[in-house]
Amino acid sequence: QKEVEQDPGPLSVPEGAIVSLNCTYSNSAFQYFMWYRQYSRKGPELLMYTYSSGNKEDGRFTAQVDKSSKYISLFIRDSQPSDSATYLCAMKSSGNTGKLIFGQGTTLQVKP
Amino acid sequence: ETGVTQTPRHLVMGMTNKKSLKCEQHLGHNAMYWYKQSAKKPLELMFVYNFKEQTENNSVPSRFSPECPNSSHLFLHLHTLQPEDSALYLCASSQDSSGRGPDTQYFGPGTRLTVL
Repeated sequence: QKEVEQDPGPLSVPEGAIVSLNCTYSNSAFQYFMWYRQYSRKGPELLMYTYSSGNKEDGRFTAQVDKSSKYISLFIRDSQPSDSATYLCAMKSSGNTGKLIFGQGTTLQVKP
Repeated sequence: ETGVTQTPRHLVMGMTNKKSLKCEQHLGHNAMYWYKQSAKKPLELMFVYNFKEQTENNSVPSRFSPECPNSSHLFLHLHTLQPEDSALYLCASSQDSSGRGPDTQYFGPGTRLTVL
């Protein structure tokens, strides 16, 4: 079983839709949860970071962590064509050997 | 220059060639990383340097040889590569990789490598 599972998609939605991107994980020691956005031919850029459980909002983006279910989500409201990219979840434990573990990435296309 | 830069952006090489990838970070970070990104696979961590010392070698074949002369620069020396090594090679940096804290990593644009 992979430590982090993420549906690769592609996910296609119309402009203005609410998008839900998700990852599941198996390691209960993960404490830090991140979402990166990667445009074609570019490196990943950090979108949001959350510690432990709960929600975090930044503009049109909301990150949600449910540690009891080992499930994290990224919601995008009022999606725009410029949101079309691959979204990578990443997570890490707080221990000294904690490495950042990435999901496979979900490709999102927002159609005008 | 700001952030993390990588050169070259594209590289095509034969299996007998020797080439090097260069990464430079302008963020004042102490940790630098090499990742391999292949289609439909998660990012694969290759090497980690923390304060210029290599702290992680993720069972990478010896045909990949990293070098970190200082906290701002990282190289990946390539020789006798195989076609399956074709991928996007990403460099990243973070404040430090001691394991405590979120270890938020910032990525460069990558080098698209094609091995013929």
